[in-house]
Amino acid sequence: KQEVTQIPAALSVPEGENLVLNCSFTDSAIYNLQWFRQDPGKGLTSLLLIQSSQREQTSGRLNASLDKSSGRSTLYIAASQPGDSATYLCAVRLGAAGNKLTFGGGTRVLVKP
Amino acid sequence: GAVVSQHPSRVICKSGTSVKIECRSLDFQATTMFWYRQFPKQSLMLMATSNEGSKATYEQGVEKDKFLINHASLTLSTLTVTSAHPEDSSFYICSARDRVGTGGTEAFFGQGTRLTVV
Repeated sequence: KQEVTQIPAALSVPEGENLVLNCSFTDSAIYNLQWFRQDPGKGLTSLLLIQSSQREQTSGRLNASLDKSSGRSTLYIAASQPGDSATYLCAVRLGAAGNKLTFGGGTRVLVKP
Repeated sequence: GAVVSQHPSRVICKSGTSVKIECRSLDFQATTMFWYRQFPKQSLMLMATSNEGSKATYEQGVEKDKFLINHASLTLSTLTVTSAHPEDSSFYICSARDRVGTGGTEAFFGQGTRLTVV
């Protein structure tokens, strides 16, 4: 059974610092991995999608890496801003035929002005 | 990205009544939609997978007679919480995958529905 873990569970940084969020998964036979942002009481916003054949994806200040063999993904957010404060969730999908996403517990981020 | 609309965003109902939540894919077709439940400060737990034109597949421990799912078209799935009780109070989120746009790989989520049963 796939298990996804996110460490740390919470993170507080001053504005301008780079953020490093970690995601690990137990079954390396993933189809893809997706990072999401969730604001309090809201749905999920997709940030980055990394296919199993890719090693990283970038979008603006966000960069996500994927190391399937070690079962890890890292989300980097450069030059953090107070507006980056949210919960960040990673989720993995097992196999093309398997539709399900398995989520990590999330990392709550607070960027202090 | 593609847009998934969920309605209502908040609902308060009396214990024993039923509540219907709608999930629509606005600009794409989704053969499969997913329903999740989220408790405060916890991650998302998959409840069921909704397949267009066929019966939903429920996760272990989820009562299919209590959480009725209907996926009547390629753009609409509904979740009905029947005979709701206070313990059903939670945040429910739907998700859909674009059948065509990104090769059916990226999942998009609705805004969520906060259900409070009093």
